[in-house]
Amino acid sequence: TQLLEQSPQFLSIQEGENLTVYCNSSSVFSSLQWYRQEPGEGPVLLVTVVTGGEVKKLKRLTFQFGDARKDSSLHITAAQPGDTGLYLCAGGEYGGSQGNLIFGKGTKLSVKP
Amino acid sequence: GAVVSQHPSRVICKSGTSVKIECRSLDFQATTMFWYRQFPKQSLMLMATSNEGSKATYEQGVEKDKFLINHASLTLSTLTVTSAHPEDSSFYICSARDEATSSYNEQFFGPGTRLTVL
Repeated sequence: TQLLEQSPQFLSIQEGENLTVYCNSSSVFSSLQWYRQEPGEGPVLLVTVVTGGEVKKLKRLTFQFGDARKDSSLHITAAQPGDTGLYLCAGGEYGGSQGNLIFGKGTKLSVKP
Repeated sequence: GAVVSQHPSRVICKSGTSVKIECRSLDFQATTMFWYRQFPKQSLMLMATSNEGSKATYEQGVEKDKFLINHASLTLSTLTVTSAHPEDSSFYICSARDEATSSYNEQFFGPGTRLTVL
């Protein structure tokens, strides 16, 4: 069974600080997605990374896929209160036939003004 | 594009009744949809994979007769919680893959349904 370990589980920071969230696994994933979820809503897809070593930027968010496609990180620069939410990483099962995703447990981020 | 809707957004029911939740892909066709359950402050737990035209695939520990899934068309999947009990109270979220444009397992999520069983 493929597992994704996400850390930290909780993160409370001040506006303007930088932060990094990590997702690690001993398994290889065909792709990795990052989602953001606000309370009472469904997750929203932020990015998909598919190539080992790939780096993608979305404004102040930088996503990286590990060279071996077993881990990923999300770095937020100069966090703002609007970044508050639950961040979820999800890996595409390698060889999975139905497109299942393996989800990390999530990182609950709180950015205080 | 890739919008998924869910209805209802909130439902309160009495113990013993059945509740149906609809999941629709609004601007794309989805042969595969997914149903998740989420407990407070926790991640998503996959309940089942809904396949258009065939039986759903349930995850281990999820009762098939309790959570009935019907994927009636390429844009609609329904989850019926039968004989609901208070322990079934949860946030249920569906998702769908836009297989025409997605090659990498991306799923697009509905807004979720908050079920409260009294």
